[in-house]
Amino acid sequence: GESVGLHLPTLSVQEGDNSIINCAYSNSASDYFIWYKQESGKGPQFIIDIRSNMDKRQGQRVTVLLNKTVKHLSLQIAATQPGDSAVYFCAENDNNAGNMLTFGGGTRLMVKP
Amino acid sequence: DSGVTQTPKHLITATGQRVTLRCSPRSGDLSVYWYQQSLDQGLQFLIQYYNGEERAKGNILERFSAQQFPDLHSELNLSSLELGDSALYFCASSFGASGEQFFGPGTRLTVL
Repeated sequence: GESVGLHLPTLSVQEGDNSIINCAYSNSASDYFIWYKQESGKGPQFIIDIRSNMDKRQGQRVTVLLNKTVKHLSLQIAATQPGDSAVYFCAENDNNAGNMLTFGGGTRLMVKP
Repeated sequence: DSGVTQTPKHLITATGQRVTLRCSPRSGDLSVYWYQQSLDQGLQFLIQYYNGEERAKGNILERFSAQQFPDLHSELNLSSLELGDSALYFCASSFGASGEQFFGPGTRLTVL
């Protein structure tokens, strides 16, 4: 079936540096994409989303980029902080198939002080 | 705190048993979703209910069933449990049938 995947399982960055987490998706019908952050022992927490009619969306310290041509999604975190250490998941949604989310495998972000 | 509550937090049971996981959505949310997170399969969508009716179905086993009650809380029933059912089970809710989903803290199920 369709799936969402991640290139890097673990990303280690220095505190204060920028982080980039990448994601590839395969369902060309997906029209909504979300990044979630999951800390140990907690449920996924919404970070930012983007619809397929956009290619960039910015939040507080986070930016999501969507490249529909190559089916690629990225999450950029500016000035990474120790509190950003977590597992990050991208998820896609094909609204024609209901509101089910298809998650990628996750990337662990480790921030070194 | 997302506003979604799940009980119990932890559950340990034996193979062949049946368990019920409970979820209360955020106040005002009409949709409830169930996801399973295991080490080998990652986060997988199981089922969605909207205002009491089944809305979408994912990779949910026949041994699993769910329902949403008139007060909008939901229960996920897992029967004939197998070792491979050990996982984190998350509930999420959204206001409408689509839109941002807010996840609960999860129930960790261990089948021995």
